[in-house]
Amino acid sequence: QKEVEQNSGPLSVPEGAIASLNCTYSDRGSQSFFWYRQYSGKSPELIMFIYSNGDKEDGRFTAQLNKASQYVSLLIRDSQPSDSATYLCAVMGDSSYKLIFGSGTRLLVRP
Amino acid sequence: EPEVTQTPSHQVTQMGQEVILRCVPISNHLYFYWYRQILGQKVEFLVSFYNNEISEKSEIFDDQFSVERPDGSNFTLKIRSTKLEDSAMYFCAIQGGLSDTQYFGPGTRLTVL
Repeated sequence: QKEVEQNSGPLSVPEGAIASLNCTYSDRGSQSFFWYRQYSGKSPELIMFIYSNGDKEDGRFTAQLNKASQYVSLLIRDSQPSDSATYLCAVMGDSSYKLIFGSGTRLLVRP
Repeated sequence: EPEVTQTPSHQVTQMGQEVILRCVPISNHLYFYWYRQILGQKVEFLVSFYNNEISEKSEIFDDQFSVERPDGSNFTLKIRSTKLEDSAMYFCAIQGGLSDTQYFGPGTRLTVL
């Protein structure tokens, strides 16, 4: 059974701080990695995707991937109260286009 | 970012009834997906649909479920005889451009009484 694990949180950070969200996955053959943001009652919204080891930056967001450790993370710099949401890690295998989701980490940014 | 709409936004039905959930992409896409999310739980893959055929389905997608693209644009998920445990948010997703990124529609909340 392919699994994606996330700490459910909540992760509470003050406004302006860096929020660090982590995710591990069990399928070593996974090739594509995604971070989605989900506000309560809403659909997942794609924030970042990463395919290669290392860092990928997009504005205030940085995704980090370490395939050897089967670990992917998302850093949010200068966190804003509007960033308060659940962040979903999703993984795609090399022979399938289905996304396997983690249970999500709830982020609270305190004003 | 590709856009997709879903109708209805909320569907209430009696157990044993059939429901049809609809997904309408704004532009042409080849890959479609259905996911569901039971309240408080993970987003779960149901089925992927490519070039008018099912390409992959999960264990959840049993004989009670079917998908089709009846008119070349709408993409539907049918549940033949709903059960209480089918109550969930159902999300349609489309694959964007040349990458494997998936973009989700706003979802349909299905409540089975």
